[in-house]
Amino acid sequence: EAGVTQSPTHLIKTRGQQATLRCSPISGHTSVYWYQQALGLGLQFLLWYDEGEERNRGNFPPRFSGRQFPNYSSELNVNALELEDSALYLCASSSVAKNIQYFGAGTRLSVL
Amino acid sequence: DQQVKQNSPSLSVQEGRISILNCDYTNSMFDYFLWYKKYPAEGPTFLISISSIKDKNEDGRFTVFLNKSAKHLSLHIVPSQPGDSAVYFCAASVRGTYKYIFGTGTRLKVLA
Repeated sequence: EAGVTQSPTHLIKTRGQQATLRCSPISGHTSVYWYQQALGLGLQFLLWYDEGEERNRGNFPPRFSGRQFPNYSSELNVNALELEDSALYLCASSSVAKNIQYFGAGTRLSVL
Repeated sequence: DQQVKQNSPSLSVQEGRISILNCDYTNSMFDYFLWYKKYPAEGPTFLISISSIKDKNEDGRFTVFLNKSAKHLSLHIVPSQPGDSAVYFCAASVRGTYKYIFGTGTRLKVLA
């Protein structure tokens, strides 16, 4: 069974640009979560999507947004990139039955 | 506001001995706790979880202990193996919120 897949693996952008990160959950999982791991910090919760709806949001500005598609895959969009947005962005998925999140390998975003 | 703290950034243990990783939390509403292991260039991998109605949960070489009065949990790995060398994150959540709060991680090195 395929795990959570994220693309791209690495993304390099410049300040002010927009970044789009993608995530495909484990088959059968309807919930997708996004986390940011900046250097030296733990994982910070960004967003939770379930059944196409945003269910919960962390302490991040509105320029961090996303969506979940009918096939449960998800996109994270970061607008007006700032240098401090450079981080590893991790996506996780879970099923309704079990409150365990399974993570992808992440997208490393570098903002120059 | 760091609600979940892992105060030891690193730990070294001899192969075959016990590894004890610690985690403290401040939010008394947390009622579900998890440990994840992360290798470089990979996403976090779920290890073991515990609900607040229990004080211990075992899975093979891994045991998690929860002390609710002290707001403290620990992960014991016995016996430690070189393949256990990784960064370990504890996470906490309030059931139903599906939002995990992660600690900053402890890097475990198991010496052969």
